[in-house]
Amino acid sequence: QLQLQESGPGLVKPSETLSLTCTVSGGSISSSSYYWGWIRQPPGKGLEWIGSIYYSGSTYYNPSLKSRVTISVDTSKNQFSLKLSSVTAADTAVYYCARRGPAGYDYWGQGTLVTVSS
Amino acid sequence: DIQMTQSPSSLSASVGDRVTITCQASQDISNYLNWYQQKPGKAPKLLIYDASNLETGVPSRFSGSGSGTDFTFTISSLQPEDIATYYCQQYDNLPHTFGGGTKVEIK
Repeated sequence: QLQLQESGPGLVKPSETLSLTCTVSGGSISSSSYYWGWIRQPPGKGLEWIGSIYYSGSTYYNPSLKSRVTISVDTSKNQFSLKLSSVTAADTAVYYCARRGPAGYDYWGQGTLVTVSS
Repeated sequence: DIQMTQSPSSLSASVGDRVTITCQASQDISNYLNWYQQKPGKAPKLLIYDASNLETGVPSRFSGSGSGTDFTFTISSLQPEDIATYYCQQYDNLPHTFGGGTKVEIK
């Protein structure tokens, strides 16, 4: 059974860089059929797609965040990562990693709350 | 960006009722639409893909229809375990935008 697990600091200071890693187990991140993505959800609000990456390293970002976002993949560790720079309180959210198959985001991590505060 | 307008934003229905949620895209997205269920404190769960296809293991009381710009999600007989927020998402164009969500409660 495929599992995804987010990890990283739960508290980030304003203007600093948020860094999260998603570890994939029970399957290979190098499968040609899938993309790997990040989605976030501010407390009490809806879902926002951040971006996704293919195992080859091709990336796709939300234009609203593109100037601040970097998604990378480490196939040797079966992990992919998110970096979001210059964070503000508006970036406080639960961050999910997920697998995107041909049909949609079919496997998700449990999510991790990142709070931006001094 | 393609805007996804979901309605209603919330609804209250009785157990056994038929529940319908609509999602309208700001431009033609063919059938590139998914429906997700999110229970409090949990990650979203894929229920319907390609507008009308039921994900494996999802009860048959859930269904979806539509193409182009107008889509419908239906629970044929609401069950207590269906209490959740439901989201549509288009994946025709990047960014893969979500609707605002519909919170379903039991009356």
